[in-house]
Amino acid sequence: GAVVSQHPSRVICKSGTSVKIECRSLDFQATTMFWYRQFPKQSLMLMATSNEGSKATYEQGVEKDKFLINHASLTLSTLTVTSAHPEDSSFYICSASSLSGTSGGAYEQYFGPGTRLTVT
Amino acid sequence: DAKTTQPPSMDCAEGRAANLPCNHSTISGNEYVYWYRQIHSQGPQYIIHGLKNNETNEMASLIITEDRKSSTLILPHATLRDTAVYYCIVRVADTGKLIFGQGTTLQVKP
Repeated sequence: GAVVSQHPSRVICKSGTSVKIECRSLDFQATTMFWYRQFPKQSLMLMATSNEGSKATYEQGVEKDKFLINHASLTLSTLTVTSAHPEDSSFYICSASSLSGTSGGAYEQYFGPGTRLTVT
Repeated sequence: DAKTTQPPSMDCAEGRAANLPCNHSTISGNEYVYWYRQIHSQGPQYIIHGLKNNETNEMASLIITEDRKSSTLILPHATLRDTAVYYCIVRVADTGKLIFGQGTTLQVKP
C-alpha cells in the first residue's frame, strides 16, 4: 500500500506557542488529505478535509483559526496548532487519498503514523 | 452519514478465525463499507472494502449481506499481532470522508 509519513512523531510545546505538523504522501499524489484527532481511549475524530490548492473544509465544532491547514502541493499538507493549550494535547493523525472526494468509485485512504502533541 | 454499530470487544483464540460483525442498516446504495484497524498508538491500517459483493485479500475477507445492512470481517487465522481496534466505516459517498465509530477491540489470546 501507499506510504504516508508525519513529522514530528512526538512534540512537546509550551502553552501559548504554535506547533506545525507535516503530513506527506511519499509514493503517490494526494489530491485530498484529512486530519483527525484522537484522545486517549477514544476513536478518531475528523477535524478537516483539505484538497490541494483549496481552502480546507472544517468539521462542525473545529476552530479553523486555531487549527490552520495548508495543502499547497500534492504531497504535503500541514496542520498548525496556534496558541496551543494543554487541552489541545492529543494524537493527531493525517490521511491521504489519490482521488478527490467524489462519489465515483472506491479508493483507499492511507493513514500516517500519527503525531503525539503534549502542551505543557 | 450512515452509522455503523459494532460490539465493543471480542476475544479470539490464536489460530482460529475471527469474525467481526458490523451493522449499517442506513447505508445508501452507492456507499462503500470499509474496514480499518488500529494498533495502539499507531495510525489506522487499511484492511479491505466492498460495495455489494464479498471481497477477499491477503489480510481478510469481507462478507456483505444481500440487503447490505450488515457485514462481517473475517480474519481466517488470527495471530497475536491481530490484536487491535477494528473499525467498520461507511464511506460518505460525495466527500470521501471516513467517519469512525467506536470500533471493536479484538483480543487474540494464546
